[in-house]
Amino acid sequence: AQTVTQSQPEMSVQEAETVTLSCTYDTSESDYYLFWYKQPPSRQMILVIRQEAYKQQNATENRFSVNFQKAAKSFSLKISDSQLGDAAMYFCAYRDAGKSTFGDGTTLTVKP
Amino acid sequence: DAGVIQSPRHEVTEMGQEVTLRCKLISGHNSLFWYRQTMMRGLELLIYFNNNVPIDDSGMPEDRFSAKMPNASFSTLKIQPSEPRDSAVYFCASSHRSGKNTEAFFGQGTRLTVV
Repeated sequence: AQTVTQSQPEMSVQEAETVTLSCTYDTSESDYYLFWYKQPPSRQMILVIRQEAYKQQNATENRFSVNFQKAAKSFSLKISDSQLGDAAMYFCAYRDAGKSTFGDGTTLTVKP
Repeated sequence: DAGVIQSPRHEVTEMGQEVTLRCKLISGHNSLFWYRQTMMRGLELLIYFNNNVPIDDSGMPEDRFSAKMPNASFSTLKIQPSEPRDSAVYFCASSHRSGKNTEAFFGQGTRLTVV
């Protein structure tokens, strides 16, 4: 069974600084996708960024980028120039042909 | 499109009562997921459907929980009888089955409190 592990229950960052959230996963599949979701206090789950496993190039979306290491099964999220609105819980997710599997989440605090 | 719509947003019920949570998928999506989120257990997949057919219900806690898709755009999650430990936020999400790259679109969740 696929598993997703987020080893950091909580992280904090100073506004305008950079923070990296860790995620590792376990799978025997070769074709899959990885996602980072953001859940602010409103509870809404919002897609932040996605990565295709067959692409070596790391995905980027404005201030958000990933460091995808397929051999190590690692998929970290880097947030640059952190803003107060980035404060939320962040979930790493894995998906192959079937269901998505989510990590336990990392709560990010942004200090002004 | 209005996105995934869940109702009610909040539900408070007494132990032993039946609870029904509702979800309307995004038009054109054919995969449906029910998740439960608690502080202790995080985000748990309860069950998911493809084309109205339940594919994996291994996450359903026990027989008190049941989920249905009476049609391609609507699903219900029923708890009967409810217990205080069922208190959680329940999310419904939908996606295109055909694409692994398509993310799951989540509803805003139903916060269930069983007293």
